[in-house]
Amino acid sequence: SQTIHQWPATLVQPVGSPLSLECTVEGTSNPNLYWYRQAAGRGLQLLFYSVGIGQISSEVPQNLSASRPQDRQFILSSKKLLLSDSGFYLCAWRPGTGYGYTFGSGTRLTVV
Amino acid sequence: SQQGEEDPQALSIQEGENATMNCSYKTSINNLQWYRQNSGRGLVHLILIRSNEREKHSGRLRVTLDTSKKSSSLLITASRAADTASYFCATDSFGTYKYIFGTGTRLKVLA
Repeated sequence: SQTIHQWPATLVQPVGSPLSLECTVEGTSNPNLYWYRQAAGRGLQLLFYSVGIGQISSEVPQNLSASRPQDRQFILSSKKLLLSDSGFYLCAWRPGTGYGYTFGSGTRLTVV
Repeated sequence: SQQGEEDPQALSIQEGENATMNCSYKTSINNLQWYRQNSGRGLVHLILIRSNEREKHSGRLRVTLDTSKKSSSLLITASRAADTASYFCATDSFGTYKYIFGTGTRLKVLA
């Protein structure tokens, strides 16, 4: 069966520090991968998605970036965090178009 | 920008009652999905309904889709305290690889 792993669960980082959040999927190949961010009490904002290795689509211009170094690995990064980067970050995957997402458990990031 | 908008934003009902949440969207879709999110957790997929379908059931859940009105509804029958969560609709437009989520309905079921 397929599983998705996202870590860490919580993170407190100072302004200006770097960020690296990792997401991996097991039990499938060539998944569509996604990073969403959710502000407190709000809906989900799509940040990045990838339909293949090395293919990254960015939805929102910001100081975040994403990479897909391996087929089932999706990384969200920042060189210098801003206070506004605080939020709940969710990784998700699906086999392809026409399928629902399976979400990871999320990372709660607080930038102080 | 948000594609879907849920209504109401918040809903409080007694255990055993039915809960109805609505979702409206703006552009033509390939399919629409509903997700549940318990506080501080990831989202859980509930139901996917395709644009050529009008109604789907899953246990106590019933989803309808009216593409002419660009709207969908989620009905939870005989609600339980464990149904307390936020519910989101998400739409997948033709030719895209992504779902756009609505703002969610916060459901509280009182025991």
